[in-house]
Amino acid sequence: GNSVTQMEGPVTLSEEAFLTINCTYTATGYPSLFWYVQYPGEGLQLLLKATKADDKGSNKGFEATYRKETTSFHLEKGSVQVSDSAVYFCALSDATGGYNKLIFGAGTRLAVHP
Amino acid sequence: DTEVTQTPKHLVMGMTNKKSLKCEQHMGHRAMYWYKQKAKKPPELMFVYSYEKLSINESVPSRFSPECPNSSLLNLHLHALQPEDSALYLCASSQEGRQKNEKLFFGSGTQLSVL
Repeated sequence: GNSVTQMEGPVTLSEEAFLTINCTYTATGYPSLFWYVQYPGEGLQLLLKATKADDKGSNKGFEATYRKETTSFHLEKGSVQVSDSAVYFCALSDATGGYNKLIFGAGTRLAVHP
Repeated sequence: DTEVTQTPKHLVMGMTNKKSLKCEQHMGHRAMYWYKQKAKKPPELMFVYSYEKLSINESVPSRFSPECPNSSLLNLHLHALQPEDSALYLCASSQEGRQKNEKLFFGSGTQLSVL
């Protein structure tokens, strides 16, 4: 079945450091890929998405490229801020069977210190 | 309005109680979802409704009973729960529930404790 694997956290960085969170997936078809973010005490918010191979999703300085050859969708940001501290979930979605099914990775907690 | 509203925010119930979680959206979405999230774990899909019909049930125990009275409302009826059912229950909505590129909008969740 479909699955998503993320790097273990927590990731602790100083402000303005470079961020990479690794994500790889296993899927039988051609899924769409997403990064969602969850701030403390809140639900999840879509950060960015990519729907086909070589697509790059970007938002708020975060980027991720859909790499079919390596089945990866790594999240990057050039300069993190304290306000980026949250849990980041990589996810995939397919519509096999006719209905959208979003599957999440385990999540990576990011803590950014001043 | 791009909000999904969930009530209550917190709920404590005994194993013999019956309670309901409620979810509402006014974005014109025709798909609504229930996810369960245990502490420090990812959300796990429970149910999907598309056009008010139950489309996906991820083998959820019958003590959880979903209901979609109309396209704006989604309920989750709880009965005879176990302590291990304690978790954050998240509601989400999306355009139709039939396309793999659909963005899900999540509510803030109901934190449920079963004593």
